[in-house]
Amino acid sequence: KNQVEQSPQSLIILEGKNCTLQCNYTVSPFSNLRWYKQDTGRGPVSLTIMTFSENTKSNGRYTATLDADTKQSSLHITASQLSDSASYICVVGGVRSGYALNFGKGTSLLVTP
Amino acid sequence: DVKVTQSSRYLVKRTGEKVFLECVQDMDHENMFWYRQDPGLGLRLIYFSYDVKMKEKGDIPEGYSVSREKKERFSLILESASTNQTSMYLCASSFAWERTHNEQFFGPGTRLTVL
Repeated sequence: KNQVEQSPQSLIILEGKNCTLQCNYTVSPFSNLRWYKQDTGRGPVSLTIMTFSENTKSNGRYTATLDADTKQSSLHITASQLSDSASYICVVGGVRSGYALNFGKGTSLLVTP
Repeated sequence: DVKVTQSSRYLVKRTGEKVFLECVQDMDHENMFWYRQDPGLGLRLIYFSYDVKMKEKGDIPEGYSVSREKKERFSLILESASTNQTSMYLCASSFAWERTHNEQFFGPGTRLTVL
């Protein structure tokens, strides 16, 4: 059973608009949550990482939020650019899972002119 | 900058061939990982290694083996390639000493096609 669910599965927005991607998880006890960006044909690159004590983290136009009580995270992209077109993957680490991570299936974002 | 490199970006092999995928990292990371990524399934862990000559099975180790003879290098071996092993293979590495922020750094991936 996948312990990390992302929504929507895919999204198309116009350049310059904002968007929000969602991640719900059931991993417990929770250790940390990361958002990765994966360009087509490339490996994932980390955008943000948050532990249970952090509820927001920014990286330029990307802002991640975390609600550890409801086990939800979101990634907000401001003033989208064509280069934001990619897959965004939510990854959750558990306290007892050691090095193993729980990956969401990703949200595919397409930014159009 | 952390660099994780993989020996090939694209690879085409025939059913039954033995396939070697190589991964090298230059940050002295203790941990190294092999994943495969398929549409609709996300990333799935095949094997990982937390030290030289040490290895642990991940979620889908069947049909694969690994080798870690040097700290910087982690190899994935398909003993007898099959068509259902056609996939994108991603290598990753991380430090051992900071579990809370155990960030994994990924290589560019190898797209393997088995005919």
